[in-house]
Amino acid sequence: DARVTQTPRHKVTEMGQEVTMRCQPILGHNTVFWYRQTMMQGLELLAYFRNRAPLDDSGMPKDRFSAEMPDATLATLKIQPSEPRDSAVYFCASGGRGGHTDTQYFGPGTRLTVL
Amino acid sequence: AQTVTQSQPEMSVQEAETVTLSCTYDTSESDYYLFWYKQPPSRQMILVIRQEAYKQQNATENRFSVNFQKAAKSFSLKISDSQLGDAAMYFCAYRSGGGATNKLIFGTGTLLAVQP
Repeated sequence: DARVTQTPRHKVTEMGQEVTMRCQPILGHNTVFWYRQTMMQGLELLAYFRNRAPLDDSGMPKDRFSAEMPDATLATLKIQPSEPRDSAVYFCASGGRGGHTDTQYFGPGTRLTVL
Repeated sequence: AQTVTQSQPEMSVQEAETVTLSCTYDTSESDYYLFWYKQPPSRQMILVIRQEAYKQQNATENRFSVNFQKAAKSFSLKISDSQLGDAAMYFCAYRSGGGATNKLIFGTGTLLAVQP
């Protein structure tokens, strides 16, 4: 049963600390998305990769957030330094080759709390 | 810019009954995709159903079906024979069919309660 995996599932940290979230896309998928969900803003795209290249990171605060794909099986989202307003659920989704290429499949999310 | 609107913040349905969740969208594009995702209390985003805009036939997945009205830019979700496990937040989402961007644009969600 192919699925997107994310680690950690929960993270509590203090303001100013670095946070790294990891995502393993479904094998064979060539697009990876990072979304953030908050009560105020709902679901919003932070960054998106195709074939490991960043195509759109306009939704990401550049001064503290960074997203990378070191290889086809790993995507990372880093926040440094973290702030209380970063508290949210961060979802990774993958899509692309195989099945419906237009469809995105979501991971279980990382619930981040910044104190 | 494309927008997605879900005008029903909350809905309630009796078990075994049918409920329809509304979604409208705004776009100038002719090629796009529409989706419904379910988010139960676990927070997992689960794909419920997808619709290709160029297909006139409404998509169906078991107890879930859509009423896609392209001219009206409406994309409602019908859940038949509602079950307790259907209780969740439901999000309508839009994706451009063009290659420029693949991001999903989400509505604000409808919280569905299922009464036993």
